[in-house]
Amino acid sequence: DTGVSQDPRHKITKRGQNVTFRCDPISEHNRLYWYRQTLGQGPEFLTYFQNEAQLEKSRLLSDRFSAERPKGSFSTLEIQRTEQGDSAMYLCASSWTGGYLNEQFFGPGTRLTVL
Amino acid sequence: AQSVTQLDSQVPVFEEAPVELRCNYSSSVSVYLFWYVQYPNQGLQLLLKYLSGSTLVESINGFEAEFNKSQTSFHLRKPSVHISDTAEYFCAVRDPGGSQGNLIFGKGTKLSVKP
Repeated sequence: DTGVSQDPRHKITKRGQNVTFRCDPISEHNRLYWYRQTLGQGPEFLTYFQNEAQLEKSRLLSDRFSAERPKGSFSTLEIQRTEQGDSAMYLCASSWTGGYLNEQFFGPGTRLTVL
Repeated sequence: AQSVTQLDSQVPVFEEAPVELRCNYSSSVSVYLFWYVQYPNQGLQLLLKYLSGSTLVESINGFEAEFNKSQTSFHLRKPSVHISDTAEYFCAVRDPGGSQGNLIFGKGTKLSVKP
């Protein structure tokens, strides 16, 4: 399967713990996006990278959140000192700037539950 | 700021009946418009898109959407639904002159097709 993959698919953690999610984009895609989807809402943009550079961050991305894409391939999203309000589905998407429209392809998501 | 409104959170319909899922967006400037579908336990998939040109766009599985600039709408329709169309549908907008990372999604409409 050459689509976008995310790991883990589910994560349950206790409040105050740190968690890290990984996203592997489609191999030739140079852009990578993170979104968050809470219950009953559509996905909300968090941040995106072009190659290894983080080009935009939403105000939703508090100081407890950090994202990296060190070699321009996979990306990690870390949440420090998790809070119950962080419970959500975290979606990753990738795209190629050389393609028409820069269409974003989404992964299956990581569902985070903070107890 | 742009916003997307999907008025119906849930739409139950019988198999082979027609369906319309409504989407309105806030901006009067040029936008790119999308419909994504999310099947249970799967990631978001692009269903169809409007960039420019013909205001009626079609997907490969029988859905169509019509861009109406005066009403700022992009409603999704299918003349005869199947059980397999049961999924959640998200309307999204992107400002072609704005951030390359910023897809704005509606809250989604859950389509439930009953036999």
